[in-house]
Amino acid sequence: RKEVEQDPGPFNVPEGATVAFNCTYSNSASQSFFWYRQDCRKEPKLLMSVYSSGNEDGRFTAQLNRASQYISLLIRDSKLSDSATYLCVVIRYGGSQGNLIFGKGTKLSVKP
Amino acid sequence: DAMVIQNPRYQVTQFGKPVTLSCSQTLNHNVMYWYQQKSSQAPKLLFHYYDKDFNNEADTPDNFQSRRPNTSFCFLDIRSPGLGDAAMYLCATSRDRGTQYFGPGTRLLVL
Repeated sequence: RKEVEQDPGPFNVPEGATVAFNCTYSNSASQSFFWYRQDCRKEPKLLMSVYSSGNEDGRFTAQLNRASQYISLLIRDSKLSDSATYLCVVIRYGGSQGNLIFGKGTKLSVKP
Repeated sequence: DAMVIQNPRYQVTQFGKPVTLSCSQTLNHNVMYWYQQKSSQAPKLLFHYYDKDFNNEADTPDNFQSRRPNTSFCFLDIRSPGLGDAAMYLCATSRDRGTQYFGPGTRLLVL
């Protein structure tokens, strides 16, 4: 079982739709959680951190459930520019370092 | 603007011919990482420098080496590239355990 698992999609949605992505992680020692966005042939860019209390940034809402080892990302009122691959990322700290563990990503395509 | 810079953006090399990829940063971050990303796959950490300390991932092939001559620069050396090493190579930096910021990547093609 991979340490971070995501539904690869693709998710094809119309503009204005609400879409939710899920991610599960297997290592309970994981301590920090993020969503990154990666456009085709570009580098990953931090979208938002994920906190147990849940956090919102405009149309984006992230949730963390430590008991279920589950992370979600909700995008409301989808825009064409939201089309990208969304990477669920977990940091597991060991010694003095923390390593990012990436999921394979969920591809989103927003259509007019 | 502070940033992570990778050169070249595209690199073509021949099978078995050594190649070096470059990363520099103006963020003054003390940790620098090298990732390999193949098509439709997640980035895979190869190794990282925490200050001057080199940390190699257990499954990184010996064919991949790295150098960090100073805080700002880090190099990825591929001693004998094979066809399977064709990928996007991403450099990232962070302040200690903080958020990682990625460079634009170098796309490597092996002929």
